[in-house]
Amino acid sequence: AQKITQTQPGMFVQEKEAVTLDCTYDTSDPSYGLFWYKQPSSGEMIFLIYQGSYDQQNATEGRYSLNFQKARKSANLVISASQLGDSAMYFCAMREGGGYQKVTFGIGTKLQVIP
Amino acid sequence: NAGVTQTPKFRILKIGQSMTLQCTQDMNHNYMYWYRQDPGMGLKLIYYSVGAGITDKGEVPNGYNVSRSTTEDFPLRLELAAPSQTSVYFCASSSRQGPNTGELFFGEGSRLTVL
Repeated sequence: AQKITQTQPGMFVQEKEAVTLDCTYDTSDPSYGLFWYKQPSSGEMIFLIYQGSYDQQNATEGRYSLNFQKARKSANLVISASQLGDSAMYFCAMREGGGYQKVTFGIGTKLQVIP
Repeated sequence: NAGVTQTPKFRILKIGQSMTLQCTQDMNHNYMYWYRQDPGMGLKLIYYSVGAGITDKGEVPNGYNVSRSTTEDFPLRLELAAPSQTSVYFCASSSRQGPNTGELFFGEGSRLTVL
C-alpha cells in the first residue's frame, strides 16, 4: 500500500493566485511527521514546511501553509500568491516509526505558474 | 557550511561494473538515507541508517549495499551495475533535534548512467 499518495500529476495556477496541492498518507503510527519539499528544474531538494502529528495548529511558513486534517489523513500544501519561481515539482513526505526516522515520499505534483 | 556532500556528481558505468557513491555530512546527524529518483518520479528509499553501525533496507534495496562506520559517512555500493540502476541518487541526513524534527537535508544528487 502507498504510504503517501499525491493524485495530481500536474497543476496549473495563474500568477498571484493561490493553489492547493493534495497529499494523503497512510500510517498506524500515532507519532509521525509530514513534510513538503520543492524540486525545481535544477534538481535540488528544498524543504518547505513540516507538520507533526501532535501539532494542534496548521503549520505556516511565509506563503506556504499546510492544511492538516488528521482524521482524513490529509496534509495538503497551500501556496498563496503564486510566483513564477514556484514552478517546480512538489513532493509530500512522511516520517514514521518513532526512533527509526524512516521517511518516504510521494510521486510528486508538477506545478506550473502561468504569467 | 558544507552540509551533505555527495560524490561523484556524474558517472557513466558499463553493465557489470561496480562503484561506490560517497556521502558525507558535517552536521553530526544520526540519521542518513539514500534515495533514487527515476525520471519524472518521486524518491524511493534504498537504505537508511539510524546511527553508526546500524543500517536497514528501504523500499528498493536490491543491487545495493551500504555501510555506516562513522557518523559522518554513508557510502552506497552498486555491485554488478544494470541499466535499471540508471537514476539520480540523493543522499540525505536528519536529526531529531530542532523545530522541524526529522527534516531531511539533501545532497545535490549523483546522476548515474549504466550502459
